[in-house]
Amino acid sequence: NAGVTQTPKFRILKIGQSMTLQCTQDMNHNYMYWYRQDPGMGLKLIYYSVGAGITDKGEVPNGYNVSRSTTEDFPLRLELAAPSQTSVYFCASSYSSSKEQYFGPGTRLTVT
Amino acid sequence: AQRVTQPEKLLSVFKGAPVELKCNYSYSGSPELFWYVQYSRQRLQLLLRHISRESIKGFTADLNKGETSFHLKKPFAQEEDSAMYYCALKYYGNKLVFGAGTILRVKS
Repeated sequence: NAGVTQTPKFRILKIGQSMTLQCTQDMNHNYMYWYRQDPGMGLKLIYYSVGAGITDKGEVPNGYNVSRSTTEDFPLRLELAAPSQTSVYFCASSYSSSKEQYFGPGTRLTVT
Repeated sequence: AQRVTQPEKLLSVFKGAPVELKCNYSYSGSPELFWYVQYSRQRLQLLLRHISRESIKGFTADLNKGETSFHLKKPFAQEEDSAMYYCALKYYGNKLVFGAGTILRVKS
């Protein structure tokens, strides 16, 4: 099992551009999460999903959109990139709310 | 609002010395606390959770509701313990909020 995979690993965007961060898991987990980590800070929850077709906002959802059309995939969309979205983005998944979250390797995004 | 505080950015100890990584939380509900660890060039992974009351790699953590703390302890540090450690709080069922993390450096 590859676990949780994220692409790309690094990306530089110009202000106003859009992009999608990809996240895929092959563990048949129901729950998936997107976090961002700013320098010197802890991870903050952006969006999460409890199953295909179901998503909900986390702590810092503004400026992002998500979809969950399959169990495996949970892409994160940035529509109008802003410098404040410069961060490291982590995707995670878990079988249920009471089970351990497994993390991907992260995507480092810079918006200039 | 729920919050996790890790007061130390860096903790440096010698091999064989005791380790205590501090974590304090703020949450109005019944807390569920975790310690996650990230070794160099590896992914963030779960180290232990308070409900398991287990020792992993020699580390233990006790939830103290009176002091709203969940400090991570190990009696004798090893060089392979060097990593970034994050304390996390689960709230509203399945959401996690993380502290800023503490870098543990174990010197030989």
